[in-house]
Amino acid sequence: DIQMTQSPSSVSASVGDRVTITCRASQGISSWLAWYQQKPGKAPKLLIYAASSLQSGVPSRFSGSGSGTDFTLTISSLQPEDFATYYCQQANSFLLTFGGGTKVEIK
Amino acid sequence: EVQLVQSGAEVKKPGESLKISCKGSGYSFTSYWIGWVRQMPGKGLEWMGIIYPGDSDTRYSPSFQGQVTISADKSISTAYLQWSSLKASDTAMYYCARYLNVLPRAFDYWGQGTLVTVSS
Repeated sequence: DIQMTQSPSSVSASVGDRVTITCRASQGISSWLAWYQQKPGKAPKLLIYAASSLQSGVPSRFSGSGSGTDFTLTISSLQPEDFATYYCQQANSFLLTFGGGTKVEIK
Repeated sequence: EVQLVQSGAEVKKPGESLKISCKGSGYSFTSYWIGWVRQMPGKGLEWMGIIYPGDSDTRYSPSFQGQVTISADKSISTAYLQWSSLKASDTAMYYCARYLNVLPRAFDYWGQGTLVTVSS
């Protein structure tokens, strides 16, 4: 299986801050990486697919980059509604795997 | 409007069987994969398996192979996740989600989740 390692596991930030979350794959996955946002008690929501493509309706303050084994999700200016847990997910093969999650908390 | 509507919460005893459902609407059900994702209390997302309702091609995570069965009835646009003998460790929220194996190669629509509680 391809293992996905996210860091940090949690981050404290203030409204307006720039936040960067990283995801590392245990082997190369080309650009087949997605990012999701999950708020408490809700289903996950797709933010980014194919490493850097913004899902329709997602604010442009979210961006993704990377290829191969190292990827990042950046929130350029954190908004109150962005406090949530973020997950990466690789789709290089049908053995799909998620990262462990990064909780973005209010500082 | 694309929707995935899951069956309601379940409370079961260890050893009992269970089948939960996920009904798709607003799109061609046979043209997209449906995946199942487990989230144990306070924990992260775990991919369990995926089915293509068009031909019932099914793939499982090694962690869940033999533990659950994924199926679909394309005549009623519904996918299923079932257990033959539940354990307390199966207590979790279960989500279904739509997946396309070309772009976006991601789960773009999700069900609301089905909470399964297994307790004696």
